[in-house]
Amino acid sequence: DTGVSQNPRHKITKRGQNVTFRCDPISEHNRLYWYRQTLGQGPEFLTYFQNEAQLEKSRLLSDRFSAERPKGSFSTLEIQRTEQGDSAMYLCASSRVGQSMETQYFGPGTRLLVL
Amino acid sequence: SQELEQSPQSLIVQEGKNLTINCTSSKTLYGLYWYKQKYGEGLIFLMMLQKGGEEKSHEKITAKLDEKKQQSSLHITASQPSHAGIYLCGAGPMNRDDKIIFGKGTRLHILP
Repeated sequence: DTGVSQNPRHKITKRGQNVTFRCDPISEHNRLYWYRQTLGQGPEFLTYFQNEAQLEKSRLLSDRFSAERPKGSFSTLEIQRTEQGDSAMYLCASSRVGQSMETQYFGPGTRLLVL
Repeated sequence: SQELEQSPQSLIVQEGKNLTINCTSSKTLYGLYWYKQKYGEGLIFLMMLQKGGEEKSHEKITAKLDEKKQQSSLHITASQPSHAGIYLCGAGPMNRDDKIIFGKGTRLHILP
């Protein structure tokens, strides 16, 4: 069990550029979640997948954001035409659906700074 | 929508002292997660509480869930520098197909 991994760990970009983040979940986990965390706040839900299907998207996820999980394994989160307000920590979590409340395990996050 | 309020927002304690962090929900709690986050890093899972009155311990950290009061508390005994960080409570999903709603966190500093 290598845990959830995220790449890159840090990204600095200029306003208007596109960025893409990757998340590799724990291997047997079929659910994958994306959260965003700004300074002094708790993580806020963005979207989640079960296998390759995207089942829910938050209103926080504007049209500039898109997430994919093409083969039900890793996922990518793309932000187009970045804005300074997109600066945040982007966290990925994974879990395995079971009979009771599931535990979500988080990756180290990708910290985005938009200049 | 459900909101979680954590208190205190920040806490400074002397090494070796005990401390308690509280988490209060605006709606019924079906389950409660506690995570720890070191500054600038990801979340580390601590404990998950699913039933009213449930209490769990891991090393020197104990968490309880009071369903009636819609509250949870996390208690650290004989604090150590390694306990420093941000403690986040999260409301568990009403059903299995849902996200965690987090509080804003409690920042804990341990003085040597």
